[in-house]
Amino acid sequence: RKEVEQDPGPFNVPEGATVAFNCTYSNSASQSFFWYRQDCRKEPKLLMSVYSSGNEDGRFTAQLNRASQYISLLIRDSKLSDSATYLCVVNIPPPTGANNLFFGTGTRLTVIP
Amino acid sequence: DAGITQSPRYKITETGRQVTLMCHQTWSHSYMFWYRQDLGHGLRLIYYSAAADITDKGEVPDGYVVSRSKTENFPLTLESATRSQTSVYFCASSDKSLQGTRYEQYFGPGTRLTVT
Repeated sequence: RKEVEQDPGPFNVPEGATVAFNCTYSNSASQSFFWYRQDCRKEPKLLMSVYSSGNEDGRFTAQLNRASQYISLLIRDSKLSDSATYLCVVNIPPPTGANNLFFGTGTRLTVIP
Repeated sequence: DAGITQSPRYKITETGRQVTLMCHQTWSHSYMFWYRQDLGHGLRLIYYSAAADITDKGEVPDGYVVSRSKTENFPLTLESATRSQTSVYFCASSDKSLQGTRYEQYFGPGTRLTVT
Protein backbone atom coordinates (compact mmCIF):
# COMPACT_ATOMS: atom_id res chain seq x y z
CA ARG A 1 0.00 0.00 0.00
CA LYS A 2 1.35 3.44 -0.89
CA GLU A 3 2.04 5.91 1.90
CA VAL A 4 0.08 8.61 0.11
CA GLU A 5 -2.57 8.10 -2.55
CA GLN A 6 -4.11 10.69 -4.79
CA ASP A 7 -6.47 10.67 -7.74
CA PRO A 8 -4.13 11.44 -10.65
CA GLY A 9 -6.82 13.26 -12.61
CA PRO A 10 -6.61 15.05 -14.90
CA PHE A 11 -9.16 17.57 -13.75
CA ASN A 12 -10.21 19.96 -16.49
CA VAL A 13 -12.31 22.82 -15.14
CA PRO A 14 -13.49 26.16 -16.53
CA GLU A 15 -12.23 29.44 -15.14
CA GLY A 16 -14.14 30.45 -12.05
CA ALA A 17 -15.04 26.90 -11.07
CA THR A 18 -14.46 25.33 -7.68
CA VAL A 19 -12.43 22.15 -7.64
CA ALA A 20 -11.48 19.77 -4.83
CA PHE A 21 -8.64 17.29 -4.57
CA ASN A 22 -8.49 14.46 -2.10
CA CYS A 23 -5.69 12.42 -0.67
CA THR A 24 -5.38 9.54 1.80
CA TYR A 25 -2.36 8.54 3.84
CA SER A 26 -1.53 5.21 5.43
CA ASN A 27 0.51 6.06 8.53
CA SER A 28 -1.74 7.17 11.37
CA ALA A 29 1.26 8.60 13.25
CA SER A 30 2.03 11.17 10.56
CA GLN A 31 2.20 14.64 12.03
CA SER A 32 2.81 17.12 9.25
CA PHE A 33 0.78 17.56 6.09
CA PHE A 34 1.27 19.80 3.10
CA TRP A 35 0.07 20.59 -0.37
CA TYR A 36 2.76 21.35 -2.93
CA ARG A 37 2.28 22.68 -6.41
CA GLN A 38 4.43 21.61 -9.35
CA ASP A 39 4.38 23.32 -12.70
CA CYS A 40 5.44 21.43 -15.80
CA ARG A 41 9.20 20.76 -15.78
CA LYS A 42 9.69 22.80 -12.61
CA GLU A 43 10.44 22.01 -8.99
CA PRO A 44 7.69 21.38 -6.43
CA LYS A 45 6.82 24.46 -4.40
CA LEU A 46 5.08 24.59 -1.07
CA LEU A 47 1.49 25.76 -1.54
CA MET A 48 0.30 25.47 2.04
CA SER A 49 0.59 23.49 5.21
CA VAL A 50 -2.46 21.62 6.45
CA TYR A 51 -3.46 22.10 10.07
CA SER A 52 -5.77 19.95 12.17
CA SER A 53 -8.41 22.65 12.39
CA GLY A 54 -8.35 23.32 8.66
CA ASN A 55 -6.86 26.45 7.17
CA GLU A 56 -7.45 28.88 4.37
CA ASP A 57 -5.12 30.96 2.24
CA GLY A 58 -7.03 33.18 -0.14
CA ARG A 59 -8.88 30.97 -2.61
CA PHE A 60 -7.30 27.81 -1.20
CA THR A 61 -8.72 25.80 1.70
CA ALA A 62 -7.07 22.71 3.19
CA GLN A 63 -8.75 20.22 5.47
CA LEU A 64 -7.42 17.32 7.50
CA ASN A 65 -9.43 14.41 8.85
CA ARG A 66 -7.16 12.39 11.11
CA ALA A 67 -9.77 9.75 11.88
CA SER A 68 -10.16 8.91 8.19
CA GLN A 69 -6.53 9.75 7.34
CA TYR A 70 -7.76 12.04 4.64
CA ILE A 71 -6.55 15.42 3.36
CA SER A 72 -8.32 17.73 0.96
CA LEU A 73 -7.59 20.88 -1.01
CA LEU A 74 -10.34 23.15 -2.28
CA ILE A 75 -9.65 25.80 -4.89
CA ARG A 76 -12.35 28.41 -5.40
CA ASP A 77 -12.72 30.74 -8.38
CA SER A 78 -10.12 28.86 -10.42
CA LYS A 79 -7.66 30.91 -12.46
CA LEU A 80 -5.73 29.90 -15.54
CA SER A 81 -2.59 30.26 -13.45
CA ASP A 82 -3.81 27.48 -11.13
CA SER A 83 -3.09 24.94 -13.86
CA ALA A 84 -0.44 22.65 -12.37
CA THR A 85 0.02 19.34 -10.61
CA TYR A 86 -0.88 19.33 -6.92
CA LEU A 87 1.09 17.03 -4.65
CA CYS A 88 -0.22 15.75 -1.35
CA VAL A 89 2.61 15.36 1.16
CA VAL A 90 2.88 13.80 4.62
CA ASN A 91 5.81 13.30 6.92
CA ILE A 92 7.25 10.00 8.06
CA PRO A 93 7.26 10.01 11.83
CA PRO A 94 10.35 9.04 13.88
CA PRO A 95 12.44 6.95 14.18
CA THR A 96 12.91 6.65 10.40
CA GLY A 97 13.64 10.34 10.07
CA ALA A 98 11.42 13.08 11.41
CA ASN A 99 12.08 15.39 8.49
CA ASN A 100 11.35 12.87 5.76
CA LEU A 101 8.31 13.45 3.62
CA PHE A 102 6.30 11.15 1.40
CA PHE A 103 4.92 12.69 -1.77
CA GLY A 104 1.83 11.57 -3.59
CA THR A 105 2.11 11.17 -7.35
CA GLY A 106 0.04 14.30 -7.83
CA THR A 107 -3.27 15.42 -9.27
CA ARG A 108 -3.11 17.34 -12.51
CA LEU A 109 -5.35 20.37 -12.89
CA THR A 110 -6.01 22.27 -16.11
CA VAL A 111 -8.13 25.41 -15.93
CA ILE A 112 -9.77 26.13 -19.27
CA PRO A 113 -10.59 29.67 -20.48
CA ASP B 1 18.83 35.31 -1.46
CA ALA B 2 20.10 32.43 -3.63
CA GLY B 3 18.24 29.72 -1.69
CA ILE B 4 18.98 26.31 -3.10
CA THR B 5 20.77 25.75 -6.38
CA GLN B 6 21.64 22.70 -8.43
CA SER B 7 24.21 22.11 -11.13
CA PRO B 8 24.33 21.16 -13.86
CA ARG B 9 20.74 21.79 -14.90
CA TYR B 10 21.04 19.36 -17.81
CA LYS B 11 23.44 16.47 -18.27
CA ILE B 12 23.84 13.77 -20.86
CA THR B 13 26.21 10.96 -20.02
CA GLU B 14 27.03 7.48 -21.22
CA THR B 15 26.35 4.19 -19.50
CA GLY B 16 29.12 3.29 -17.09
CA ARG B 17 30.42 6.80 -16.52
CA GLN B 18 30.57 8.46 -13.15
CA VAL B 19 28.61 11.66 -12.79
CA THR B 20 28.15 14.02 -9.84
CA LEU B 21 25.18 16.30 -9.34
CA MET B 22 25.77 19.29 -7.12
CA CYS B 23 23.42 20.90 -4.60
CA HIS B 24 24.10 24.07 -2.60
CA GLN B 25 21.88 25.89 -0.11
CA THR B 26 22.39 29.24 1.56
CA TRP B 27 19.84 28.90 4.39
CA SER B 28 22.03 26.82 6.73
CA HIS B 29 19.26 24.23 6.87
CA SER B 30 20.19 21.11 8.79
CA TYR B 31 18.44 18.63 6.52
CA MET B 32 19.12 18.01 2.86
CA PHE B 33 17.56 15.48 0.51
CA TRP B 34 17.95 14.00 -2.94
CA TYR B 35 14.91 12.81 -4.89
CA ARG B 36 14.36 11.44 -8.32
CA GLN B 37 11.12 12.01 -10.20
CA ASP B 38 9.89 9.63 -12.88
CA LEU B 39 6.53 9.36 -14.59
CA GLY B 40 4.18 7.16 -12.61
CA HIS B 41 6.34 7.14 -9.50
CA GLY B 42 6.27 10.68 -8.28
CA LEU B 43 9.13 11.85 -6.09
CA ARG B 44 11.21 9.10 -4.53
CA LEU B 45 13.82 9.73 -1.85
CA ILE B 46 17.33 8.57 -2.71
CA TYR B 47 19.39 9.79 0.26
CA TYR B 48 19.05 12.34 2.99
CA SER B 49 21.29 14.05 5.48
CA ALA B 50 20.41 15.35 8.92
CA ALA B 51 23.63 17.36 9.32
CA ALA B 52 27.20 17.53 8.06
CA ASP B 53 28.79 14.05 8.01
CA ILE B 54 25.42 12.37 8.72
CA THR B 55 23.72 10.68 5.78
CA ASP B 56 21.20 7.89 5.41
CA LYS B 57 19.49 5.89 2.71
CA GLY B 58 16.06 6.65 1.42
CA GLU B 59 13.69 4.56 -0.65
CA VAL B 60 15.89 4.06 -3.76
CA PRO B 61 19.61 4.40 -2.81
CA ASP B 62 21.15 1.67 -4.99
CA GLY B 63 23.69 3.00 -7.50
CA TYR B 64 24.08 6.35 -5.73
CA VAL B 65 26.59 7.77 -3.28
CA VAL B 66 26.34 10.98 -1.24
CA SER B 67 28.58 12.97 1.04
CA ARG B 68 28.13 16.03 3.19
CA SER B 69 31.36 17.53 4.42
CA LYS B 70 29.82 21.02 4.69
CA THR B 71 26.34 21.97 5.80
CA GLU B 72 25.62 23.89 2.61
CA ASN B 73 26.63 21.22 0.06
CA PHE B 74 25.17 17.81 -0.64
CA PRO B 75 26.55 16.23 -3.84
CA LEU B 76 25.02 13.10 -5.35
CA THR B 77 27.26 10.75 -7.34
CA LEU B 78 26.21 8.05 -9.74
CA GLU B 79 29.22 5.77 -9.62
CA SER B 80 28.48 3.91 -12.85
CA ALA B 81 25.48 5.40 -14.60
CA THR B 82 22.79 3.13 -16.04
CA ARG B 83 19.91 3.95 -18.39
CA SER B 84 17.45 3.34 -15.56
CA GLN B 85 18.97 6.36 -13.80
CA THR B 86 17.70 8.67 -16.52
CA SER B 87 15.46 10.96 -14.51
CA VAL B 88 14.93 14.41 -13.08
CA TYR B 89 16.83 14.84 -9.82
CA PHE B 90 15.72 17.32 -7.20
CA CYS B 91 17.64 18.45 -4.17
CA ALA B 92 15.72 19.83 -1.20
CA SER B 93 16.45 21.23 2.24
CA SER B 94 14.50 21.77 5.42
CA ASP B 95 14.82 22.81 9.00
CA LYS B 96 12.61 22.42 12.03
CA SER B 97 10.23 25.20 12.81
CA LEU B 98 10.29 26.83 16.20
CA GLN B 99 7.49 24.47 17.18
CA GLY B 100 9.63 21.52 16.10
CA THR B 101 6.79 19.88 14.24
CA ARG B 102 6.76 21.40 10.77
CA TYR B 103 9.04 19.82 8.21
CA GLU B 104 8.35 21.59 4.96
CA GLN B 105 11.03 21.16 2.35
CA TYR B 106 12.27 23.62 -0.24
CA PHE B 107 13.43 22.38 -3.60
CA GLY B 108 16.14 23.30 -6.05
CA PRO B 109 15.32 23.71 -9.75
CA GLY B 110 16.31 20.15 -10.64
CA THR B 111 18.84 18.42 -12.87
CA ARG B 112 17.63 16.58 -15.95
CA LEU B 113 19.94 13.62 -16.45
CA THR B 114 19.94 11.43 -19.53
CA VAL B 115 22.04 8.27 -19.61
CA THR B 116 22.59 6.95 -23.13
